[in-house]
Amino acid sequence: NAGVTQTPKFQVLKTGQSMTLQCAQDMNHEYMSWYRQDPGMGLRLIHYSVGAGITDQGEVPNGYNVSRSTTEDFPLRLLSAAPSQTSVYFCASSYQKQGGTEAFFGQGTRLTVV
Amino acid sequence: AQSVTQPDIHITVSEGASLELRCNYSYGATPYLFWYVQSPGQGLQLLLKYFSGDTLVQGIKGFEAEFKRSQSSFNLRKPSVHWSDAAEYFCAVGAKSSNTGKLIFGQGTTLQVKP
Repeated sequence: NAGVTQTPKFQVLKTGQSMTLQCAQDMNHEYMSWYRQDPGMGLRLIHYSVGAGITDQGEVPNGYNVSRSTTEDFPLRLLSAAPSQTSVYFCASSYQKQGGTEAFFGQGTRLTVV
Repeated sequence: AQSVTQPDIHITVSEGASLELRCNYSYGATPYLFWYVQSPGQGLQLLLKYFSGDTLVQGIKGFEAEFKRSQSSFNLRKPSVHWSDAAEYFCAVGAKSSNTGKLIFGQGTTLQVKP
């Protein structure tokens, strides 16, 4: 019963490097999202997807790309890492149920950019 | 603008005492509401949710929350706090009409429990 799986759990990057944070869900949920968590700011939405092939920007999309080629996977790409992207990243998948949608979160990826 | 405010950044309570964490939201659409808990270095665990119906909702670990539309609030309560409740708590809101799964989170409240 894996749920939402994020890899890696920890990563250190040098400024200017690129990388992809992986997110996979095995619940056949249609909605997936990426958030970043910074002290005192809660979680802020980076990008989200409402289905395979459909993505859109959230509150803080700059410096990040996403794609959704399958229902299961929703990778987040950092194009050229900057120290301001040091954060904890959470992936979530959601499904529509009566009255609203319920989100399930991965364990997070702690990224440090030096 | 849509927003969620948790007015208390840090709260310290004694073990066995009651707890109330505040959450206020500003949202144009009909909201659905959540409380999540995060232990250090861990992901987010859902405590409880409100979609519709009874405005007093029960969650896991003995928590409850009350939705008050007139006050735009969704405060979290627990009658007797345990040391294991020390964690960070997040209130979140989503729109029933959006069909996107997007959530807006508050800034979080860190709960410390004194023995």
